[in-house]
Amino acid sequence: QVQLQESGPGLVKSSETLPLTCTVSGGSISSYYWSWIRQPPGKGLEWIGYIYQSGSTNYNPSLKSRVTISVDTSKNQFSLKLSSVTAADTAVYYCARDRSYGDPEVGAFDIWGQGTMVTVSS
Amino acid sequence: DIQMTQSPSTLSASVGDRVTITCRASQSISSWLAWYQQKPGKAPKLLIYKASRLESGVPSRFSGSGSGTEFTLTISSLQPDDFATYYCQHYNRFTWTFGQGTKVEIK
Repeated sequence: QVQLQESGPGLVKSSETLPLTCTVSGGSISSYYWSWIRQPPGKGLEWIGYIYQSGSTNYNPSLKSRVTISVDTSKNQFSLKLSSVTAADTAVYYCARDRSYGDPEVGAFDIWGQGTMVTVSS
Repeated sequence: DIQMTQSPSTLSASVGDRVTITCRASQSISSWLAWYQQKPGKAPKLLIYKASRLESGVPSRFSGSGSGTEFTLTISSLQPDDFATYYCQHYNRFTWTFGQGTKVEIK
């Protein structure tokens, strides 16, 4: 059974870079898109971006200038870096698996991590 | 960019009620739509994909319909475990966009 676990600092200073890692266990990181999604306190979900095992990425246009997602297939991990953070970046950050690669007919985020709260402090 | 708009934002209902949530896209998205349920402090859970396909393990009281720009999620008989927030989500291989959410609360 595939499981995802986010890890990283719970507190990041304003203007610095937010680093998070998602570890995939119970299965391979191959053959799926892997996304980061965030949710500010009391608000809705926002897709940040995805990566494929090859390293190909796509980002939310609203965050593209500040986002980098990378993958380490040897560790079955993928990572997020969000630069120049402000208080507006305070949120729960989720990693999730999208199974649409190879068959868009079944596309959706079917497996999620538990989420990690990141607070940006001034 | 495609915008996804859900209505209502909040819905008050009783156990046993039939509940319908609407999701509208700013332009046609064919059937590329998923629905999720989220409970406080938890990650979202996939309910429906490709607009109307029930995810494995999801109770049959949940159903989805629609295509183009208008979609609905229906809960045929609301159960105590169903009080939660529901999100629609469009996907097109390049971007993924969520609706703002509909909270289903106890009447």
